[in-house]
This record gives sequence, structure tokens and C-alpha cells, in this order.
Amino acid sequence: KAGVTQTPRYLIKTRGQQVTLSCSPISGHRSVSWYQQTPGQGLQFLFEYFSETQRNKGNFPGRFSGRQFSNSRSEMNVSTLELGDSALYLCASSFGDGSSGNTIYFGEGSWLTVV
Amino acid sequence: AQSVTQLDSQVPVFEEAPVELRCNYSSSVSVYLFWYVQYPNQGLQLLLKYLSGSTLVKGINGFEAEFNKSQTSFHLRKPSVHISDTAEYFCAVRISGGYNKLIFGAGTRLAVHP
Repeated sequence: KAGVTQTPRYLIKTRGQQVTLSCSPISGHRSVSWYQQTPGQGLQFLFEYFSETQRNKGNFPGRFSGRQFSNSRSEMNVSTLELGDSALYLCASSFGDGSSGNTIYFGEGSWLTVV
Repeated sequence: AQSVTQLDSQVPVFEEAPVELRCNYSSSVSVYLFWYVQYPNQGLQLLLKYLSGSTLVKGINGFEAEFNKSQTSFHLRKPSVHISDTAEYFCAVRISGGYNKLIFGAGTRLAVHP
């Protein structure tokens, strides 16, 4: 069974540009969540989708957005990139809706560098 | 609100020695507790989780953790570490019965020396 797949793995963007990151969850998983990991702020929750609905959002500006498709695949978008957006963006998927102790599985991440 | 404190940012240890990575949490509601490991240039891998029941939880790679409700702690232990255990370890909480949202600690870098 394939794990959580994220593309691209590495990318470099210029300030002011926008970027779209893609995530394919484990087959059968309906929940997808996104996290940002930086040396200064650590791992921070961005948002979670379940069956195409955003259920929870972290404390990030509106430049950060996401969506989930009917096949559970998800994308996140960051517009008007800033240097501080340089980070590892991790996608995670889970079978359940969180009401039980379902395990959350992580992908290997997308490394974004903003120059 | 929930928060997680990992008391040590770095833990150096010699191979075959025991190790304990400390984690304390704060929450006004019931939570699930997790330990994840991150190897260089990789994502997070679940080591173990506590949902309910027995307070001693065993995970992969010989790790175990003990939930202490009175001290709001969930410390991770391994009786004998290997070089391959060198990695970053993250403690996390999730509201029980809530969404799939993890709140992470800052991480502890375990460095195993020969």
C-alpha cells in the first residue's frame, strides 16, 4: 500500500510568486491535513480537510489556502510568497475523522525555498 | 488550548545506554498522546500512541512510553539505543474525539554516539 505522496519534493520560488503543493493520501483515507515545519517555529498545523470540507484551520494568514478533491487528493497554495515561507510542508492523511484514535500518517514533505 | 513541552532540545547518549526523552502537556480536555520520529530529510513516523487503558505503551523499534495523568507527562524511553536511533523526536497531542489536528512539541534531537 502506497504511503502519503507529496509533490514536488523540492522547489525554489521567488518572493511575490505563488506556489501549489500536491498531496495524495493513502488509499481509502478521507482526511488530509497540512503542517509547516521551520527551525524557528517547529511543526505548526495549517489546515485539515475531511471529505472535501475544511474542518479546522491554523493561525496562518489568508495567503495560505487549500482544497481537497473528491478523490481525497489535496493541494495547498501559498500566494505572494515571503522569505519566511521557506519551510518543509508536510501532508498527513488519516482514515478516520478524528473521533477515535486513528493514526495520522505523514508524507516526506515538500521543501520550499523562497529567494 | 493545548500545549506540549519537550524538556530537552538535545540529548546525547552513548550506544547501548538507556535514554529517556521527556514530554509534558497541558490541556483542559481529554487528549490522545503520540510520539513521532523524524529521520534526516524524511517525514514523520509514528513510534507509539496512547489513547486509553494501560498507561505503559509499547511502540516500534523497542521504544515505550508511560502516560502519567497526575503529572501530565508522556515520557519516551528505550533501554538500549543504537546509532540508528539518531533522529528528531516529537511529542504530540490531539483532542480526543476531536479533529485530526496534532499539536507538537518543539522536538528533541537524540544523538547516539559510538
